[in-house]
Amino acid sequence: AQSVSQHNHHVILSEAASLELGCNYSYGGTVNLFWYVQYPGQHLQLLLKYFSGDPLVKGIKGFEAEFIKSKFSFNLRKPSVQWSDTAEYFCAVNAGYGNKLVFGAGTILRVKS
Amino acid sequence: DTGVSQNPRHKITKRGQNVTFRCDPISEHNRLYWYRQTLGQGPEFLTYFQNEAQLEKSRLLSDRFSAERPKGSFSTLEIQRTEQGDSAMYLCASSTARTDSGANVLTFGAGSRLTVL
Repeated sequence: AQSVSQHNHHVILSEAASLELGCNYSYGGTVNLFWYVQYPGQHLQLLLKYFSGDPLVKGIKGFEAEFIKSKFSFNLRKPSVQWSDTAEYFCAVNAGYGNKLVFGAGTILRVKS
Repeated sequence: DTGVSQNPRHKITKRGQNVTFRCDPISEHNRLYWYRQTLGQGPEFLTYFQNEAQLEKSRLLSDRFSAERPKGSFSTLEIQRTEQGDSAMYLCASSTARTDSGANVLTFGAGSRLTVL
C-alpha cells in the first residue's frame, strides 16, 4: 500500500527564513505528487503538483518542490517565508489514474513576524 | 461555480444517532471523493465515485457508513449509530476524469465537522 511520510509535524520560522519541508512516499511505480495547503480557517488548496517532466515544479506564492525519484522524495521549498505562509502543509501521492490521493500527516508551519 | 459545497458545516449529535452529510461537487467534475480527517492527521480516504458508481471503498468505511451519489451529481454520506470515535472532519472533494495533467487534481470543500457526545 502507498504511504506518505512527512518529516516534521511542527516547524517554527522567522519571516525571511528559508523553508524546506520533507516528504517521502512508498510506491515503486509511476506516481503523481502533490502539496496541499490549509490556511487557518480555510479549506485544503492545491499548492503545486508533479505529473511528469521537469522534476522541479513551481507552485503558487513562490513555493517549489523537487521530485527525486531515487530518494522517493518530493520536498517543498520556499526561499523566504512570510507571516502569511502560516498554515498546515500536506504532501500527497496518487499512484494511478483514477485512484485516490494518499496524504501524509501534515506539517504545521508557524512563521513569526 | 462556487467550488465544492458541503452541508452542514457542523453537526453535534448524541452517540447512537444517525447523521447525514451532503456534498455538491463542482458541476463539471464526474469524480467525487469522501475523506475523514482527525486532529493531527492528514485526510484519510473513505470512498470515491465516478458518476453514480462507487468504485472504491476503504476498510475504514465500516458497515455503519454508507455513501451514495444517486444521479452522479451530489453525494450523501450517512453514519448510522454514531460512536464517539466517529468525531472528525468529513471532507468531500471532486475532480475530472481527464487523462492529462488535470486529472486527479482534487478540489476540496470546507468539510463537515462531526462531534459525537
